[in-house]
Amino acid sequence: NAGVTQTPKFRVLKTGQSMTLLCAQDMNHEYMYWYRQDPGMGLRLIHYSVGEGTTAKGEVPDGYNVSRLKKQNFLLGLESAAPSQTSVYFCASTTGDRDTDTQYFGPGTRLTVL
Amino acid sequence: GEDVEQSLFLSVREGDSSVINCTYTDSSSTYLYWYKQEPGAGLQLLTYIFSNMDMKQDQRLTVLLNKKDKHLSLRIADTQTGDSAIYFCAEIPDRGSTLGRLYFGRGTQLTVWP
Repeated sequence: NAGVTQTPKFRVLKTGQSMTLLCAQDMNHEYMYWYRQDPGMGLRLIHYSVGEGTTAKGEVPDGYNVSRLKKQNFLLGLESAAPSQTSVYFCASTTGDRDTDTQYFGPGTRLTVL
Repeated sequence: GEDVEQSLFLSVREGDSSVINCTYTDSSSTYLYWYKQEPGAGLQLLTYIFSNMDMKQDQRLTVLLNKKDKHLSLRIADTQTGDSAIYFCAEIPDRGSTLGRLYFGRGTQLTVWP
């Protein structure tokens, strides 16, 4: 049981390049989330998904797209990276059951856009 | 993050108690969490409290909830240098649309001096 995993752990991009961050969970969780963490800002929600095939915008969705083709995977895409997207990205998942709800976080992906 | 507020820094001596405070604005919050983040690592769930509880104790950790004042605190007894980290307060408010989404404070950097 690996929990929540993220790949890659580190990445450096040039402005305008594209990339996809992968989040995988093996806990059969329905809900998955992508957050970004910037110094002094806490975590802000980018996009989330409440089930396979569904996605929705969070607090800071601009410049990102997501897909949830399989229940266990949640992909975050940057079509044309900008320096403002330099951040640490965290994925999280949860059952969605309000009585037992606990969010589990991945280890993070540190992205630098030059 | 603007709905959850925390002081940014706290310094204590090893062996003393640490108290990290948090205030939130949504009176309908149902779950309140404390997460720990060590340098370069992801978020680790420390403990959580349901809104119908006033206190929860878990080994060296004590969580106090004052619903009237919308104030949450985390007390760490016998603080050790290994407790040095950033501590995030987070809530799941009953706001409807973003089910299970966590709202984070900006985090409190705890430094423990030997």
